[in-house]
Amino acid sequence: SAVISQKPSRDICQRGTSLTIQCQVDSQVTMMFWYRQQPGQSLTLIATANQGSEATYESGFVIDKFPISRPNLTFSTLTVSNMSPEDSSIYLCSVRPGQGGIQYFGAGTRLSVL
Amino acid sequence: GQNIDQPTEMTATEGAIVQINCTYQTSGFNGLFWYQQHAGEAPTFLSYNVLDGLEEKGRFSSFLSRSKGYSYLLLKELQMKDSASYLCVVRRWTGGGNKLTFGTGTQLKVEL
Repeated sequence: SAVISQKPSRDICQRGTSLTIQCQVDSQVTMMFWYRQQPGQSLTLIATANQGSEATYESGFVIDKFPISRPNLTFSTLTVSNMSPEDSSIYLCSVRPGQGGIQYFGAGTRLSVL
Repeated sequence: GQNIDQPTEMTATEGAIVQINCTYQTSGFNGLFWYQQHAGEAPTFLSYNVLDGLEEKGRFSSFLSRSKGYSYLLLKELQMKDSASYLCVVRRWTGGGNKLTFGTGTQLKVEL
């Protein structure tokens, strides 16, 4: 298993600003994922962040809008850049530590953009 | 494309049994997960099926039929704390790796 800490848990931001979300894991993991959960919708994968390589973004998500850092095997950040109200959502960090394929999730960051 | 269908909400009585169904359409099927998510908290892993049949874990059981694209989560002896959203999640092999596709979740309300 894995225990994931995300910071901040929630934030209210102004349009045009940026917010960086931190994800800390209690064990070393190769694969980390960032998801978005918009109100009333399912989780959508933003990108996969593997240590030592550039993040891989899903269709509809770009690096300029959601830059990701992965400096080591226990930590990652996701930045939501130049925010607009449409970015209001819950952002979740997830890891897949073992061969079994089970993914573990952080509690999420609830972002509101005014 | 990928498609996952599950009921939006269900209501059940404490102590009863409830079955949450999930149907899916996908290519490269490589397993199905059920997660529980309480409001404002992380989704937590409940069960995993990759072969047809029933997997039992305490009060929770999950069933899979790959030929029918169908799964269900069975919760027995319901408790108030089981009130949560239950997510049906399909894993598929894309060639470049495994990816998860999430259903929109079934909001279960357990009443006295």
